[in-house]
Amino acid sequence: KNEVEQSPQNLTAQEGEFITINCSYSVGISALHWLQQHPGGGIVSLFMLSSGKKKHGRLIATINIQEKHSSLHITASHPRDSAVYICAAGSGGGADGLTFGKGTHLIIQP
Amino acid sequence: NAGVTQTPKFRILKIGQSMTLQCTQDMNHNYMYWYRQDPGMGLKLIYYSVGAGITDKGEVPNGYNVSRSTTEDFPLRLELAAPSQTSVYFCASSVRSPIYEQYFGPGTRLTVT
Repeated sequence: KNEVEQSPQNLTAQEGEFITINCSYSVGISALHWLQQHPGGGIVSLFMLSSGKKKHGRLIATINIQEKHSSLHITASHPRDSAVYICAAGSGGGADGLTFGKGTHLIIQP
Repeated sequence: NAGVTQTPKFRILKIGQSMTLQCTQDMNHNYMYWYRQDPGMGLKLIYYSVGAGITDKGEVPNGYNVSRSTTEDFPLRLELAAPSQTSVYFCASSVRSPIYEQYFGPGTRLTVT
């Protein structure tokens, strides 16, 4: 069974700072998901990647398959980026193939 | 499209009561999932379905049942509620296997006392 670890668990930063959230997993995967959970509780998919790098606005996700590691970066952070960020590893095997990290609670202060 | 909808948003149950959490998606997705999220823990898979009439257990199925009579609906049944089932429940769907993007419902916050 895949183990997914995220760091840091909690992160408080000032508006405008560059943010990095890390995710490591123990077993080879087919895809790595980054999700955002808003303070109200809803979960939104940000990225799904299996290699390289993806960018969407101020968010960038990278993955290193050899090192079993992924990072989520936020440039020019803003208070509206405050949320819990969750990574999840997909083994691509059966339909139950996603293993979730515990999440990183990010607070961006004005 | 409404995406994935869940009802109710909140519910308080007494120990031993039963209830059904409703989940509907209008994206014609084959795969649907029920997760629970406990404080400080990652999402855990309860049950999943790969299509109408096909369901299977996830990591934490005890105390729950599901059915999938249509592509759109995937209700989760709690029988004989216990305090350990106090959690936030999320329904999700994806077009195919979970390595594809998952769409989540807004969640149901359940308290069993």
